[in-house]
Amino acid sequence: DIQMTQSPSSLSASVGDRVTITCRTSHDISNYLSWYQQKPGKAPKLLIYVASTLQSGVPSRFSGSGSGTDFTLTISSLQPEDFATYYCQQSYTTPTFGPGTKVDIK
Amino acid sequence: EVQLLESGGGLVQPGGSLRVSCAASGFSFNTFPMNWVRQAPGKGLEWVSGISTSGGSTNHADSVKGRFTISRDNSKNTLYLQMNSLRVEDTAVYYCAKGRLGIGTGFDYWGQGTLVTVSS
Repeated sequence: DIQMTQSPSSLSASVGDRVTITCRTSHDISNYLSWYQQKPGKAPKLLIYVASTLQSGVPSRFSGSGSGTDFTLTISSLQPEDFATYYCQQSYTTPTFGPGTKVDIK
Repeated sequence: EVQLLESGGGLVQPGGSLRVSCAASGFSFNTFPMNWVRQAPGKGLEWVSGISTSGGSTNHADSVKGRFTISRDNSKNTLYLQMNSLRVEDTAVYYCAKGRLGIGTGFDYWGQGTLVTVSS
């Protein structure tokens, strides 16, 4: 199985901050990496797929990059509605999710 | 509008069985792969099972292999998860999730989830 790590596990930030979350995989997954946002009590929402493609309807302040084993989700200017938990997911093999990064208000 | 509506969750004793369903609407159900993803209370996401468009190919996480079976009825636009030999650690919210066309392109729509509680 492909193991996944995310860093940091949590972070505190202010509205307007630039936020970067990193996801690493134990094996090369090419660009088969997606990012999701989940708010408490809600289902996850797809933000980005194949590492850098923005899902329809997702604000352009979200961006993704990377390939192979190292990936990054960036929020260019954090908005109040962005406080949530973010998960990466690989689909190169049997899907697995990263442990999540909780973004809360500083 | 794409809608996924799960049902069938509830309280079941360890060793028991339960079938959860996901009714889909707003898209051509028979042309997309489907998945089940679960989330234990206060924990992260865990992919459980996936199924191809025709239902001819299925895959399950090691943690449920041999106990859970995913299936679909394209005539009813419905996805199922049959769960047998349930364990306390299977307690979770179970989400159905629609796959996108194209390998490795993520799950673009999710249901609201149905809670399965395994407890004596």
